[in-house]
Amino acid sequence: AQSVTQLGSHVSVSEGALVLLRCNYSSSVPPYLFWYVQYPNQGLQLLLKYTTGATLVKGINGFEAEFKKSETSFHLTKPSAHMSDAAEYFCAVSASASKIIFGSGTRLSIRP
Amino acid sequence: DSGVTQTPKHLITATGQRVTLRCSPRSGDLSVYWYQQSLDQGLQFLIQYYNGEERAKGNILERFSAQQFPDLHSELNLSSLELGDSALYFCASSAQGNTEAFFGQGTRLTVV
Repeated sequence: AQSVTQLGSHVSVSEGALVLLRCNYSSSVPPYLFWYVQYPNQGLQLLLKYTTGATLVKGINGFEAEFKKSETSFHLTKPSAHMSDAAEYFCAVSASASKIIFGSGTRLSIRP
Repeated sequence: DSGVTQTPKHLITATGQRVTLRCSPRSGDLSVYWYQQSLDQGLQFLIQYYNGEERAKGNILERFSAQQFPDLHSELNLSSLELGDSALYFCASSAQGNTEAFFGQGTRLTVV
């Protein structure tokens, strides 16, 4: 079975500061990992995904995540936060093309 | 625009009633997923269909049922509605062999 834990339900950073959103996963098989973003009153949009290969994955809007098998982590980072990054971010795990299990989400706030 | 269409966008109904939510997946996608998003439960996986057959089941209540039709659109039926069923219901779809899912804008259900 797969599961995802997102550490911190709310993260607040200053504009221009580093964004770090934490995600740990549990999977009995090699996982597929995702980060999705949800803006208010909208559906979820894929930011990036890890399937196999390079462990550092680059996504849209300047975000990237690193798959660390030894730490069972897939943390999301962005070097410099913009006001437009304020949203809810979801880490998710899947085994093959089956159900995708989401974490509880982290709300990112950006301070001017 | 993800290419996944959900109707209706908003639905207000009374307790005890039955509603049907509709989802049209992206063209060519064989998998359809249904999720429920509420403030207290977060984003919960309900059920997945692949090419008309149920593939995976999550935390779906017995009062809820779903199906995927030959044209690949899907419907989620919610019956004997309770106040606690008020939530955003998302549909997502993915292509054969692909891992990421693309989400619709959701149906906001309010039970009064």
